[in-house]
Formats: sequence, C-alpha cells, structure tokens
Amino acid sequence: NAGVMQNPRHLVRRRGQEARLRCSPMKGHSHVYWYRQLPEEGLKFMVYLQKENIIDESGMPKERFSAEFPKEGPSILRIQQVVRGDSAAYFCASSPFEARQGNEQFFGPGTRLTVL
Amino acid sequence: AQKVTQAQTEISVVEKEDVTLDCVYETRDTTYYLFWYKQPPSGELVFLIRRNSFDEQNEISGRYSWNFQKSTSSFNFTITASQVVDSAVYFCALSEARTTDSWGKLQFGAGTQVVVTP
Repeated sequence: NAGVMQNPRHLVRRRGQEARLRCSPMKGHSHVYWYRQLPEEGLKFMVYLQKENIIDESGMPKERFSAEFPKEGPSILRIQQVVRGDSAAYFCASSPFEARQGNEQFFGPGTRLTVL
Repeated sequence: AQKVTQAQTEISVVEKEDVTLDCVYETRDTTYYLFWYKQPPSGELVFLIRRNSFDEQNEISGRYSWNFQKSTSSFNFTITASQVVDSAVYFCALSEARTTDSWGKLQFGAGTQVVVTP
C-alpha cells in the first residue's frame, strides 16, 4: 500500500514564476491537507480538501495561492508569481475519514520549494 | 495564539540517556486529539502516537512512553535509552474535534530538536 506521494520532491523557481505541487493521497483516502514548513519553523496548516471541495482554507495566504482536489487525479497546490518568502517545505497529508474524528494524518515526503 | 507550546528548542544527550520532550497545549474543546510526529534529517514526517482527550492512560511502546495529563494540559514524550537514530525534530500537535473553524486540522508546536551523540 503506497504512502502519500508528492512530486516533485525538489522544485526551483525564479521570482515571478508559477509553482505547482502535486499530492496523491494514500489509496482509499479522500481527505487531503496541505501544510507549509518555513525554515526553522514548525508546520502551519494551509488548506483542507475533500474531492472537489475546499473544506477549510483558513491557512492559505489571500493572494497567489490556490488548491484543488479534483474528482480524478492528484491534489494540486498552486503558487503564482512566487517570491523568495515562498521558499519552504510543503507537506501534504491524507486521512481516510474526516479529521474531526481524530484520525491520524499520514504525511508525504514533502516538496522543497526554492525561489531564486 | 499559540495552541501548542514546545518550550525546549533543542535537547542534546549522550547515547543511552533518557530524554523527555515537553508539550503543553491549549484548547476549549472537551474533545480533542494529541499527536507526536518525528521528523528525521531526511525530512519526512513520521506519525508516532495519537491520544484522545478521554484517554489519559499512559503508554509504553518499546523505548517510547507518553505522559498525558489533562489537569496540566501536558502531553510529554520520553525516549528511554536513546540511540543515535533517534536524532530528529519531534513535533507535538493538537487537533480540535468540535470547533467549527478548526475542522480537525493539526496545529503543531515549534518542534524540539533532539541530538543524540555516541
């Protein structure tokens, strides 16, 4: 049973470019979460999605960031016009049931984004 | 406001020593969940344990043990007889089950770096 998959593992972008981060949840998991880990900091929640629905995006920056989890295919975290402050590790997690039930979230290996 | 506080930034121990990581949380929910995750130098996040707010029974699993005390809002984690492979950042996290605007998202502490030297 494959774990949560994220790609790419490392992504380098120049300021102003777009970054697309992909996350394939574990088989059978329909709940996806994105977290960001800035250098020397803990993880901060960004967004919680179910298939075709954004449930909670309270942690998403108001501009340039968007996320989707289509009916088919991986979840995508999109960052437009990246700036150096976007450089961070972005982690995706999935769970089989609604997180409010306290189910553990299984994390992917992360995507390290570097903005030059 | 910070809901999970890990006051220890870094702990250095010599192999075979015990190390205890402190975690203090804050919530108004009566139902919540607490987690410990490990992040080794390779960067991935490894789930270690989950506890719900109704289960204060402490547990030992191999070299790991947990001490959950609701009275002090603490959920401490101990590694017994530490090994070099235990070197990692350890994160405590809180999930509030009933607060509508939380929707069960994990709220992490800042992490504690554990360095185990031979």
